Amino acid sequence: RKEVEQDPGPFNVPEGATVAFNCTYSNSASQSFFWYRQDCRKEPKLLMSVYSSGNEDGRFTAQLNRASQYISLLIRDSKLSDSATYLCVVRDTGNQFYFGTGTSLTVIP
Amino acid sequence: NAGVTQTPKFQVLKTGQSMTLQCAQDMNHEYMSWYRQDPGMGLRLIHYSVGAGITDQGEVPNGYNVSRSTTEDFPLRLLSAAPSQTSVYFCASFRQGYGYTFGSGTRLTVV
Repeated sequence: RKEVEQDPGPFNVPEGATVAFNCTYSNSASQSFFWYRQDCRKEPKLLMSVYSSGNEDGRFTAQLNRASQYISLLIRDSKLSDSATYLCVVRDTGNQFYFGTGTSLTVIP
Repeated sequence: NAGVTQTPKFQVLKTGQSMTLQCAQDMNHEYMSWYRQDPGMGLRLIHYSVGAGITDQGEVPNGYNVSRSTTEDFPLRLLSAAPSQTSVYFCASFRQGYGYTFGSGTRLTVV
């Protein structure tokens, strides 16, 4: 079983739509959670950390559900520039990071 | 700050050749790592280091060596390149409480 699993998509949504991605993780002792964004042929870049109480950064909202072992990312009012692959990342107690395979998002005009 | 600098950006090797991918960071991060990214596989950890003089194996270490003589540098050596090592390689560093900062990647093709 993979440490981190994501729906690979692709998600194709119109501009202005709301889209949500989920990610599940297998280790209940995982410590930290992140969402990264990766543009085509570029390096992953930190989008936001995910906190237990949930957190928001502009149009982006991240949630953590420890009981069910999943994290989510909600993007509101999608922009063309949001088109990218979104990676779910989980850090365990030993400072090992585990990456999901990514969810592809295309925002259509 | 430059962040994490990787060189080269592109490389073509013949089977059996060796080479070193360079990685340097100027953020004084203790933790550094090397990943490879293949289609449908996500990022897989090759080797990592928790500080100068300390390295350890990740998920896919075979065929690669690393060393960490300074906090700043973490080179990855391919001992005898094989076509299965064709991939995109990312070096990254992080510090506690924050996520990873990645280098821009090295696209390696082994023919």
